[in-house]
Amino acid sequence: DAGVIQSPRHEVTEMGQEVTLRCKPISGHDYLFWYRQTMMRGLELLIYFNNNVPIDDSGMPEDRFSAKMPNASFSTLKIQPSEPRDSAVYFCASSSGTGADSNQPQHFGDGTRLSIL
Amino acid sequence: GDSVTQMEGPVTLSEEAFLTINCTYTATGYPSLFWYVQYPGEGLQLLLKATKADDKGSNKGFEATYRKETTSFHLEKGSVQVSDSAVYFCALRAGHAGKSTFGDGTTLTVKP
Repeated sequence: DAGVIQSPRHEVTEMGQEVTLRCKPISGHDYLFWYRQTMMRGLELLIYFNNNVPIDDSGMPEDRFSAKMPNASFSTLKIQPSEPRDSAVYFCASSSGTGADSNQPQHFGDGTRLSIL
Repeated sequence: GDSVTQMEGPVTLSEEAFLTINCTYTATGYPSLFWYVQYPGEGLQLLLKATKADDKGSNKGFEATYRKETTSFHLEKGSVQVSDSAVYFCALRAGHAGKSTFGDGTTLTVKP
């Protein structure tokens, strides 16, 4: 089975540019998560969706960050405008849901390494 | 709210040494508990899990037992290898929540 697929794997861009990160979750999973990982702050949950609906975006650092999930097989995380302090590895993860599946783990993609110059 | 506290790292061991990484948690209800491993340049991947008290999760020689009385889920391995060098994350998922709560991660380096 295909795992969580993220693109691009690496992104280098200049400050002020718009950055769009993409994620395809595992088919059948109804939760999708966006994380940011840095040496200084560790792994941070930015936002998560259930059945394509945003449930908790309290981890989104600023209004420059936005996330969408237009359908069950695709999500984007956008940064506009980007700043050097946004440089990090961004992970997408998915999992299945509630009830009998509530003990299921998250499945992570390989991440997007973002560098803002 | 829910929280996970992990033994601070980094941890450096010689090959074939015994490994323990401590993990304690605070949660309402009866969470499921997980250990994830992250190798350099990769995402986190599930190492093992336990879903109820006294369950033991095991995989690749690693083990952890769900101890409700001490709210702990310590990771152990009897003989580590250089290839076990990675960052290890303890996590919980409470039944009412879709998200998981992660510890800060413990970096393990195994030297030949």
